[in-house]
Amino acid sequence: ILNVEQSPQSLHVQEGDSTNFTCSFPSSNFYALHWYRWETAKSPEALFVMTLNGDEKKKGRISATLNTKEGYSYLYIKGSQPEDSATYLCAFKYNAGKSTFGDGTTLTVKP
Amino acid sequence: SAVISQKPSRDICQRGTSLTIQCQVDSQVTMMFWYRQQPGQSLTLIATANQGSEATYESGFVIDKFPISRPNLTFSTLTVSNMSPEDSSIYLCSVEEGWGYNEQFFGPGTRLTVL
Repeated sequence: ILNVEQSPQSLHVQEGDSTNFTCSFPSSNFYALHWYRWETAKSPEALFVMTLNGDEKKKGRISATLNTKEGYSYLYIKGSQPEDSATYLCAFKYNAGKSTFGDGTTLTVKP
Repeated sequence: SAVISQKPSRDICQRGTSLTIQCQVDSQVTMMFWYRQQPGQSLTLIATANQGSEATYESGFVIDKFPISRPNLTFSTLTVSNMSPEDSSIYLCSVEEGWGYNEQFFGPGTRLTVL
């Protein structure tokens, strides 16, 4: 059983705050690491696909880094907005077509 | 990117009954996946459904409980059989376009409550 852990489990911040959360995964058999955003009543939506150690990806105010040697990825949100409220999932891919998901970090941004 | 629809979006069912969830994709895809998210838990892969072959089930999931059909490259069904309250979950179908690092696309989910 592959252990993919996300922390914190939940986070409440004020609008304008910057925040970050962590995804920890096995440092062996790495294939790819995906970040998804899952808003209530919607489909999970892919944010980033990360494949190489040291990868840094950015989309607007959201960015992510990857360290495959130590088995972690950080997701950063700069200047959080209420529309950023969602559950952020990471998925450790150990084989083409096979992913193990973390439990997610639920972010609530208060206006 | 693939657009996926699921039916029903939610249902409330009685213990001992079965529910079939449909997943329709707007493009042909090789790999389709069925996931479950129980309350407070992560997304857990139930099975991988490839067209023209038997579904491959993950540890802890069996065909008798979760029969899957994959009649073509755009459609799949998952049946939750002989339901119990422990089957109350969100069920999502997902596809991966191409092969390799690609991210997955998800349907909107079916929220199932078993009484």
